[in-house]
Amino acid sequence: QQQVKQSPQSLIVQKGGISIINCAYENTAFDYFPWYQQFPGKGPALLIAIRPDVSEKKEGRFTISFNKSAKQFSLHIMDSQPGDSATYFCAASFNKFYFGSGTKLNVKP
Amino acid sequence: SQTIHQWPATLVQPVGSPLSLECTVEGTSNPNLYWYRQAAGRGLQLLFYSVGIGQISSEVPQNLSASRPQDRQFILSSKKLLLSDSGFYLCAWSVGGRNSPLHFGNGTRLTVT
Repeated sequence: QQQVKQSPQSLIVQKGGISIINCAYENTAFDYFPWYQQFPGKGPALLIAIRPDVSEKKEGRFTISFNKSAKQFSLHIMDSQPGDSATYFCAASFNKFYFGSGTKLNVKP
Repeated sequence: SQTIHQWPATLVQPVGSPLSLECTVEGTSNPNLYWYRQAAGRGLQLLFYSVGIGQISSEVPQNLSASRPQDRQFILSSKKLLLSDSGFYLCAWSVGGRNSPLHFGNGTRLTVT
């Protein structure tokens, strides 16, 4: 059973647009939700993370929105840039990390 | 600051050959260490994790094994590789509580031919 479901699988956004990636989870015991960014041939790098006691966290152009009742969280990338083109993974954790299947983002110049 | 090293970056091995991938972490003590595998276009599958020297937990029964001979060294091994062992292998570390963030190395691309 997939613990964390991520969508879309791929996303194309114009430069300057907003990229939105969504994740849903079932296990209400999860209490830490990080997002990772991965460039080709590299390991995933921690981008931003949130805990369920807050509904939103913003770091620069990256924002996590968290809806505890709906068991959903999303990553918003404002003013998307070609350099943001990468694969993004959401994750949820309670003693162990469960990763989404990834979203390949392509930002067109 | 903490850094993680993985080597080799790429590896091509024939079926039936042994495997040894190494990972070391610098700048921290007693880290939790992890081995993940990432299939092409897929998510991350946890293979092994370790909370201390000689302590290894296996998540998935398979052709691989892991060892932690030193505090900041984690080794992934196989006695005989299978075609299905091909993939991108990632080492990761964390310190602190159970929900401390994972930090990944740059991985090893393994191709079994």
